[in-house]
Amino acid sequence: EAGVAQSPRYKIIEKRQSVAFWCNPISGHATLYWYQQILGQGPKLLIQFQNNGVVDDSQLPKDRFSAERLKGVDSTLKIQPAKLEDSAVYLCASSFDRGYEQYFGPGTRLTVT
Amino acid sequence: QQPVQSPQAVILREGEDAVINCSSSKALYSVHWYRQKHGEAPIFLMILLKGGEQKGHDKISASFNEKKQQSSLYLTASQLSYSGTYFCGTVDTGGFKTIFGAGTRLFVKA
Repeated sequence: EAGVAQSPRYKIIEKRQSVAFWCNPISGHATLYWYQQILGQGPKLLIQFQNNGVVDDSQLPKDRFSAERLKGVDSTLKIQPAKLEDSAVYLCASSFDRGYEQYFGPGTRLTVT
Repeated sequence: QQPVQSPQAVILREGEDAVINCSSSKALYSVHWYRQKHGEAPIFLMILLKGGEQKGHDKISASFNEKKQQSSLYLTASQLSYSGTYFCGTVDTGGFKTIFGAGTRLFVKA
C-alpha cells in the first residue's frame, strides 16, 4: 500500500513570496492533517479535513495560510506572503477516520530567507 | 492544551529500560505514541483507547489511565534502533483533535 506522498521535499523562498505544498493521502483515508513542525518541537496542527470539509483550523494563520482538499482526496497548503518565522517542516498526515492512527508523509522543509 | 511529556531527554545504554510519561489537563478519548528519527517523519507506534488499557509491541508497551489523564510508554531492554524523539498525541473527547507533546529525546548508546 502506498504511503502519504508530499511534494516538494525542499523549498527555499524569500520573505513575502508565496509557496504551495501538495499532499496525496493514503487511499480510503477520510481524515487529512497538515502540521507545522519547527525544529526541536512537536508537530503543531494547522488544519484538519474530514473528507473535503474542514474540521479544525483554529491554529491556521488565516491572513496568510490557506488550504483546500479537492474532492476529499488530494490537498494543497499555501502560504502567501511568507514570513521568516514560517521556516519549518510541513507534514501532511492521513488517517482512516478521526481519532485513528495517523500516517505521515516525508514532509516539506521550507526555508524563508 | 498541549500535553506535558517527561523527561525531556534520556540517555541509555543498550539493554537498559526507560519510561516516558505524557500528561494532559483535558479529558481524553485516546493517546497515540509516535517515534521520529532525525530528518524523518513520525512513525506510529501504538494507540490506547479510554478504558485503562495497556498494550505491548515487542519490547515497547504503554498504559493509559483515563482518570488521571496520563499515559506512559515503557521501553525495555533498549536497542540502538530505539533512538529518536518520542511524541505522545492526545485526542480529546470533543472534536477528536490530536495535540502533540513537545517530545522526549531518547539516545541509546552501545
